[in-house]
Amino acid sequence: KQEVTQIPAALSVPEGENLVLNCSFTDSAIYNLQWFRQDPGKGLTSLLLIQSSQREQTSGRLNASLDKSSGRSTLYIAASQPGDSATYLCAARSGAGSYQLTFGKGTKLSVIP
Amino acid sequence: NAGVTQTPKFRVLKTGQSMTLLCAQDMNHEYMYWYRQDPGMGLRLIHYSVGEGTTAKGEVPDGYNVSRLKKQNFLLGLESAAPSQTSVYFCASSRDKYNQPQHFGDGTRLSIL
Repeated sequence: KQEVTQIPAALSVPEGENLVLNCSFTDSAIYNLQWFRQDPGKGLTSLLLIQSSQREQTSGRLNASLDKSSGRSTLYIAASQPGDSATYLCAARSGAGSYQLTFGKGTKLSVIP
Repeated sequence: NAGVTQTPKFRVLKTGQSMTLLCAQDMNHEYMYWYRQDPGMGLRLIHYSVGEGTTAKGEVPDGYNVSRLKKQNFLLGLESAAPSQTSVYFCASSRDKYNQPQHFGDGTRLSIL
């Protein structure tokens, strides 16, 4: 059974810093991995989706990488801003026949002005 | 840009009562999903649908029923609510099974007393 872990559970950084959020998964036979942002009291907003054949995806100040062999993905946020404060979740889709995303518990990011 | 809309946003029920949560999407997506989010547990899939008239069980289906009579709507029912069903419920939709990101609603916060 796939398990997804996100460490740390919470992170506080000063504005302007570059930062990395980590996501690890136990079953390397994933189909793709997705990063989401969740604001308090809100639903999830999809940030980036990386297919298993890709090594990274970029969107603006965000860059997500995927290393299937080591069971890891990272989300890099450049020049962090207070508006980036939110909980970031990663989710792995395992296998071609699965409709299920396995979610991590998230990293709560606080960017201090 | 409505996207995925969930109603109601909040609800308090007594044990044994029944209710239906409604999810509506305006993106013409084939696939729809119901998740629950609990502290320390992450998001877990309850039921999903791969098209109008179809439903299937996810990871935690017990105590819930679903229906997809129209492509744009996906209903989640609790026939006899239990305190263990206190949670935040999220609906999501996607264009295809694997390659497109899931789009989430803002959630329904449900408390069972």
